Amino acid sequence: EVQLLESGGGLVQPGGSLRLSCAASGFTFSNYAMSWVRQAPGKGLEWVSLIGASGTITHYAESVKGRFTISRDNSKNTLYMQMNSLRAGDTAVYYCAKDQSVTTGDMDVWGLGTTVTVSS
Amino acid sequence: EIVMTQSPGTLSVSPGERATLSCRASQSVNSNLAWYQQKPGHGQAPRLLIYGASTRATGIPARFSGSGSGTEFTLTISSLQSEDFAVYYCQQYNNWPRTFGQGTKVEIK
Repeated sequence: EVQLLESGGGLVQPGGSLRLSCAASGFTFSNYAMSWVRQAPGKGLEWVSLIGASGTITHYAESVKGRFTISRDNSKNTLYMQMNSLRAGDTAVYYCAKDQSVTTGDMDVWGLGTTVTVSS
Repeated sequence: EIVMTQSPGTLSVSPGERATLSCRASQSVNSNLAWYQQKPGHGQAPRLLIYGASTRATGIPARFSGSGSGTEFTLTISSLQSEDFAVYYCQQYNNWPRTFGQGTKVEIK
């Protein structure tokens, strides 16, 4: 079964840091680009970042550029997001998602999310 | 950044009726558009419905259809079932950053 399982969320103070992980199983992880998408409480979906299959290409939303770093370890089938200088506006459920193929940017597999709360 | 605008914000529909949801892009995204369904409740991840503007994803019932290209897109649910009441998002992947619409909530009339 194809599965993504996020972890690492929690309560952090403004200015603090957190590292999210996403463990993948059921597919050849190293073949697919992966994204983080977040959803603030009661709000819509916001794409945050993407990393290419080999890890050499990355893209970020302006709202997190310079503060968040996406990475992956294909030997461990795991995606990461290092989040620094966290703000209240970063409070959200963070989902990891898999690109369906190398030629499209739709995301066909999603995890259940991990909650990040930035508050003093 | 390409802005995706969905309308209406909320759509009230009776079971068995047709629902038509719209998505407009601030500039052309060709056919690089996807639709997702998200049901309410904690831990409900989005589900891919349509990609390439009109191709149903694996396992998606035929009552879901997508159309459009360029800047105007439509998701149609031909006969609403109880499990279809949810929030629907469009997403473009033609340009960076990828962007989502704000969502259309389909509720029971």
